Parts: sequence; structure tokens; C-alpha cells
Amino acid sequence: DAGVTQSPTHLIKTRGQHVTLRCSPISGHKSVSWYQQVLGQGPQFIFQYYEKEERGRGNFPDRFSARQFPNYSSELNVNALLLGDSALYLCASSSAPGTLSSYEQYFGPGTRLTVT
Amino acid sequence: QKEVEQNSGPLSVPEGAIASLNCTYSDRGSQSFFWYRQYSGKSPELIMFIYSNGDKEDGRFTAQLNKASQYVSLLIRDSQPSDSATYLCAVNNYGQNFVFGPGTRLSVLP
Repeated sequence: DAGVTQSPTHLIKTRGQHVTLRCSPISGHKSVSWYQQVLGQGPQFIFQYYEKEERGRGNFPDRFSARQFPNYSSELNVNALLLGDSALYLCASSSAPGTLSSYEQYFGPGTRLTVT
Repeated sequence: QKEVEQNSGPLSVPEGAIASLNCTYSDRGSQSFFWYRQYSGKSPELIMFIYSNGDKEDGRFTAQLNKASQYVSLLIRDSQPSDSATYLCAVNNYGQNFVFGPGTRLSVLP
């Protein structure tokens, strides 16, 4: 079975531009979470989606938005890019919530975003 | 503010030794605890998870949880150079977002 997939793998953008990152979860997983990881730090939670609804939001500005589609894939959008948005953006999938084991998250390879 | 703390390292151990990685967390409501391994330039890989107080063993890895002390650890026996990576501790409170620590860099010396 394929793991979590993300696209693109690398991206270079200019300040002020907009970016869309994409994620497909593990087959059978219905929950997708997005994280930002700056070099030398642990991942920081941005959003969690389950069944197309936002289940959680981290401490990120409104320039960050996301959505989940009926096939459980997800997009993360970032508007008005700043230099500080340069990071590795990680998508993680997990099965439907309700049991302890459903909180095991599996990460995709990430998208490396560089803002110049 | 929920926090997870780890010693950033680097922690250096000789090949074949036991590596001990530690993590403390601030949210007493945390229910599930995870260890991820992250190689440089790669995404985190789930190694182990633990929900109950005590020890959980999986091959060369043992996770230890003490909820009263808000402490979780990971022991790696017979450390190999391929274990050299950053180890991330993460905690979760039933359906809420995962909170990650900053990670501990482990270096296993041949």
C-alpha cells in the first residue's frame, strides 16, 4: 500500500506570492493534519481535517488555510508569503478518531518551501 | 500553553551501547505518547507509541511512560550507526492536535 504522498517535493516562491500544497492520505485513513517544521525545531501543528471538516487549528495567521476533499486528500494554502514561511511542510494521516490507535499519525515526505 | 521538552543534544553513544532519550510534557491530560525518528532532510517516521504507564518493548526499542511524573523515555539497545538521527517526542490528548518536542539529536559512533 502507498503511504502518504505530497506534492510538490520542493517549491521556491517570492514574498507576497501564494502557494498550494497537496496531500493524499494512506488508503483507508480519513483524517489529515498539516504541520510546519522549521529547521532545527519539531513540527508545529497547523490544521487537522476529518471528513472534510476542520477539527483543529494551530496558532497560525489567517494567511494559512486548508481544505479536505471527498476522497480525503487535502490542500494547504498560504497567501502573502513571508520569508519566515520557509520551512518543511508535512502532511500526516491517521484513521478515523474514536479509538486510541486512531491517533497514530504517519507522515508524508513533506514539501520543502523556500520563500525568497 | 502545552509544552513538550527534550534535551536537544547531541547525545553521543558508542556502537552497541544503550541510548536513553528523555521527554517531559506539561499537559496532564495527555493520553498518548509517540516517538518519531527523523533523518536529516527526511520526514518523521513513527517508531513507537505508548498509552499506559510502564514499559513497552518493540525489538531494540523500549518506551517508558510515567504519567505521574509527566515523563516518557525511549531506550535503544545495541545502538547502531544507522540509529543516528533526531528523535522527536510527541503527545496527544484524544483528538486534539499533536504537540511535538524540539527533538534530540543522537549520534552513534562506530
